[in-house]
Amino acid sequence: EIVLTQSPGTLSLSPGERATLSCRASQSVSSSYLAWYQQKPGQAPRLLIYDASSRATGIPDRFSGSGSGTDFTLTISRLEPEDFAVYYCQQYGSSPWTFGQGTKVEIK
Amino acid sequence: QVHLVQSGAEVKKPGASVKVSCKASGYTFINSGISWVRQAPGQGLEWMGWISAYNGNTNYAQKFQGRVIMTTDTSTSTAYMELRSLRSDDTAVYYCARDRQLVVPGSIPHYYYYGMDVWGQGTTVTVSS
Repeated sequence: EIVLTQSPGTLSLSPGERATLSCRASQSVSSSYLAWYQQKPGQAPRLLIYDASSRATGIPDRFSGSGSGTDFTLTISRLEPEDFAVYYCQQYGSSPWTFGQGTKVEIK
Repeated sequence: QVHLVQSGAEVKKPGASVKVSCKASGYTFINSGISWVRQAPGQGLEWMGWISAYNGNTNYAQKFQGRVIMTTDTSTSTAYMELRSLRSDDTAVYYCARDRQLVVPGSIPHYYYYGMDVWGQGTTVTVSS
């Protein structure tokens, strides 16, 4: 199975700053089938990005995804107060689907 | 709006089974699949498997093979996940999520993949003696 490793584990930033989250796969992700999710405490995950770089419906354009092969990045251009949460990457290119362990974006 | 509404919290003893339901609304149920994902307390997300609402085909993560059964009832647009032989480390929040869109029906259906775009609210399953 494909192992996804996210870094850093925790990102401490201030509102208005840029956040860059990394997701590295143990082998190439087929067709760039990689998604990013946001999860807040007590809530279900929310799809932000699919196919590595396509924004899901209703997602603000401050969220962007990039990458291919084994290296992927989620960028939040200017952090809003509601963006402080845990972010997971997930691959759906080969079964079993797998998730990264998450990156927590916290207020500095 | 598209919604997935799950059944309520469960408390089970080790060795028992639990069956969680996930009722879909706001879209054509058979045109998608449902994945089940769980999250142990304070931990990350773990994919358990997927079922096609179109033809009932399933794809289970190897870890759960033999212990999980996923089914659908198209008459009520409801998906079910049954987990057997529960252990304490099965204590988690269980989520259903819409996964894949049917683009070519038939004996070998083809799907459009786009991640999991709609999630249920989660069902807490506690396994304790």
